[in-house]
Amino acid sequence: EIVLTQSPGTLSLSPGERATLSCRASQRVSSSYLGWYQQKPGQAPRLLMSDASSRATGIPDRFSGSGSGTDFTLTISRLEPEDFAVYYCQNYGSSPYTFGQGTKLEIK
Amino acid sequence: QVQLVQSGAEVKKPGASVKVSCKASGNIFTNYYLHWVRQAPGQGLEWMGIINPSGDRTTYAQKMQGRVTMTRDTSTSTVFMEVSSLRSEDTAVYYCARRDVRGAFDYWGQGTLVTVSS
Repeated sequence: EIVLTQSPGTLSLSPGERATLSCRASQRVSSSYLGWYQQKPGQAPRLLMSDASSRATGIPDRFSGSGSGTDFTLTISRLEPEDFAVYYCQNYGSSPYTFGQGTKLEIK
Repeated sequence: QVQLVQSGAEVKKPGASVKVSCKASGNIFTNYYLHWVRQAPGQGLEWMGIINPSGDRTTYAQKMQGRVTMTRDTSTSTVFMEVSSLRSEDTAVYYCARRDVRGAFDYWGQGTLVTVSS
């Protein structure tokens, strides 16, 4: 089983700032089958990024993803008020399709 | 309009079973795998299992083996997830989600809250 560890657990930033979220895997994620999801309170998760760096439909270009192997990063270039949420990374390359524990992005 | 619409909230006693449905609209059901994911109150996301397009093959998380059953009715574009021998730790929001062609979870249901309480 691939264990995904996200850091930091909580990130406190202001609108307009840059956010960098990390996801580290316990073993290589095959073919970069790594996704990022955003979840707001009371809502279902929303796919942001697939294959580590491909934005999902309708996702603004201030979101970008990078990485391969065991280390992945989600970057939000300039935070908008609607970006404050919890973010999860996920391995979907090999079963079980594990999620990281999440990073909460909060307004400073 | 592409949607996955789930059944309503449930309250069950310990030891009982619950069956949650997920109905697809639009062209998002045929030929796609469907997953189930759950989220306990204040916690992260936990993958539970997956069912193939024809409904004859499933893979379950080891933790849920023996207590979860996923089925599919292609005639009504609906998938079902049943959990038996419910415990308080099964209290969670349960989501269905579609696997896209690359494997990511691109469409999600709205979630179904299952509360297990005596």
